[in-house]
Order: sequence, then C-alpha cells, then structure tokens
Amino acid sequence: SQTIHQWPATLVQPVGSPLSLECTVEGTSNPNLYWYRQAAGRGLQLLFYSVGIGQISSEVPQNLSASRPQDRQFILSSKKLLLSDSGFYLCAWSPSLPEQYFGPGTRLTVT
Amino acid sequence: AQSVTQLDSQVPVFEEAPVELRCNYSSSVSVYLFWYVQYPNQGLQLLLKYLSGSTLVKGINGFEAEFNKSQTSFHLRKPSVHISDTAEYFCAVSPRGYGNKLVFGAGTILRVKS
Repeated sequence: SQTIHQWPATLVQPVGSPLSLECTVEGTSNPNLYWYRQAAGRGLQLLFYSVGIGQISSEVPQNLSASRPQDRQFILSSKKLLLSDSGFYLCAWSPSLPEQYFGPGTRLTVT
Repeated sequence: AQSVTQLDSQVPVFEEAPVELRCNYSSSVSVYLFWYVQYPNQGLQLLLKYLSGSTLVKGINGFEAEFNKSQTSFHLRKPSVHISDTAEYFCAVSPRGYGNKLVFGAGTILRVKS
C-alpha cells in the first residue's frame, strides 16, 4: 500500500530564516505531487504541483519554491520566511485517478 | 474556472441526529467530486468520491453524498452522527481532462454535541 510522509511535524522559525519541508511517498511510482497551504480558518490553497522529476508548476506567486529531486520526493523551500508564511502545509499525491491523498502535514509558525 | 461553495461554515448537531453538509459548485466543464474530512492537526482523509455512474455514492464512516447535476450540488449526509464525527469537512472538485487539480471549498466544521 501507499504511504506519504511529511517532516517535520511542527516547526517554529524566525522571520528571515530559510525553510525546507520534505515530503516522500512510498509504494508507488511517478505520482503527481502537490503542496498546499492551509491558513487558520481558511480553506486549502494549492501552491505547487509536479507531474515528474524536475517538473514544477506554481499556482500563485509567493515567497516559496518547490523542487522534485527524486520521483517520490517533493521539497518546499524558502530563502527568507515572512510572517505571512505561517500555516499548515500539506503534501498530497495522486495516482492516475483524479483523487488525491494527503500527508499528515507540517505546522509552521514564523515568529 | 471552477469554484466550490460550502454553504455553512459551522453545523452544530446533537449526537445520533441526522446531518447534511451542503456543497455547490460552478464549472464550465464536467467535474469529479470529492468530500474530505480533517481532524484537528491532521491531514485530509478522503471520505467519498463521485467519478461517474450512480449519483448516490457511499463512503467511509457511514457517510453518503448525492450528485445533482441540474443543481450543481454534492451534499454530504449521515443518518446518525457520533461524537467522533466532529471535524472539518471539505468539498472539492476536479475538472475532467485537466489533470488532477483539486479546487476546495472553505470547509464546514461539524460539531457533534452530547
């Protein structure tokens, strides 16, 4: 069966510091991968998605970037965090079918 | 473009009572439809999906939803809720033929009271 991992689970970072969140999927190959942000009291905003290694599409302009160095690894990064980057970050994967399966999430607090 | 409207931000209900969480969508193309549930500080779990076929779909934990194409709705129902159903529920659509992107509603918090 397939499993999706995210780490760290929680993170507290000062404004201006760098960020690296990692997501990995097990038990499948060539999945579509997604990064979402969920701000407090709001729905999910799609940040990035990837259909293959090195292929990244950005949905909204922002302070973040994404990379896919391996087939089942998706990384979310920032060079300098802003207060507005705080939120709950969710990684998801999708097989050939349209539904997506979500990881446990990373709670990021920028102070 | 697609949009999803969840008509209630919060729904309080007593334990063992029935519940309906409402979802309407707008799209210029046909869509797939989903309901997800999120417990506090956790990721989203797929409750059920409508891809094609019967418009009444059954999911996990006793939930079901009915796709109504003419009203562009996909309401979620459960005949008898439990305290453990307290969570936030998200309706989502994915346009057919446009990859696997999901567009989410803002969510409905279901509060089950004893």
